[in-house]
Amino acid sequence: SAVISQKPSRDICQRGTSLTIQCQVDSQVTMMFWYRQQPGQSLTLIATANQGSEATYESGFVIDKFPISRPNLTFSTLTVSNMSPEDSSIYLCSVPTAGGTEAFFGQGTRLTVV
Amino acid sequence: AQSVTQLGSHVSVSEGALVLLRCNYSSSVPPYLFWYVQYPNQGLQLLLKYTTGATLVKGINGFEAEFKKSETSFHLTKPSAHMSDAAEYFCAVSETGGYNKLIFGAGTRLAVHP
Repeated sequence: SAVISQKPSRDICQRGTSLTIQCQVDSQVTMMFWYRQQPGQSLTLIATANQGSEATYESGFVIDKFPISRPNLTFSTLTVSNMSPEDSSIYLCSVPTAGGTEAFFGQGTRLTVV
Repeated sequence: AQSVTQLGSHVSVSEGALVLLRCNYSSSVPPYLFWYVQYPNQGLQLLLKYTTGATLVKGINGFEAEFKKSETSFHLTKPSAHMSDAAEYFCAVSETGGYNKLIFGAGTRLAVHP
């Protein structure tokens, strides 16, 4: 199994500011995924972060709002830019297993925008 | 496009009673199916998965689920609920042929009362 470490675990931010969330995996993975879980809602995929290429964003999510970096095979960052209260959510990093049939999830970053 | 429907956003059972959480999916290709559990303030943990082969799959903590292609269902059951089973449960689907993005259902919050 993969061990995924996300930082910070939670934060309270002022509207208009940006927050960068880090995801560190204890093994090399080709793909890393970023999900958002809004209060009382299910998980929605934001984007797929591939090492060596630009992230692939899902419908409704754009790079200007959620820029992603993937400098190597064990690390990725997601930035939530120009935050508003509507961005208050849990943001989760996920990686597939070596066999590719399932996913491991980090503990998540609980973001509150005030 | 794939989709997942979880019937019942809240389910309440007595300790020792049968747990049944319903999940129906839509997929144009043979699916991979998953149940994840999320305890309060924690990340997601895989309960069980169906990829190929036996349609009745057993997972952790005494849970099991049966893939019924004719009914496009993947309901989660446990014969006897325990207080520690209280959590949010998510059904998810992905396409076969390796890991693809997970499509999650809205989730079912399970309450277990004495």
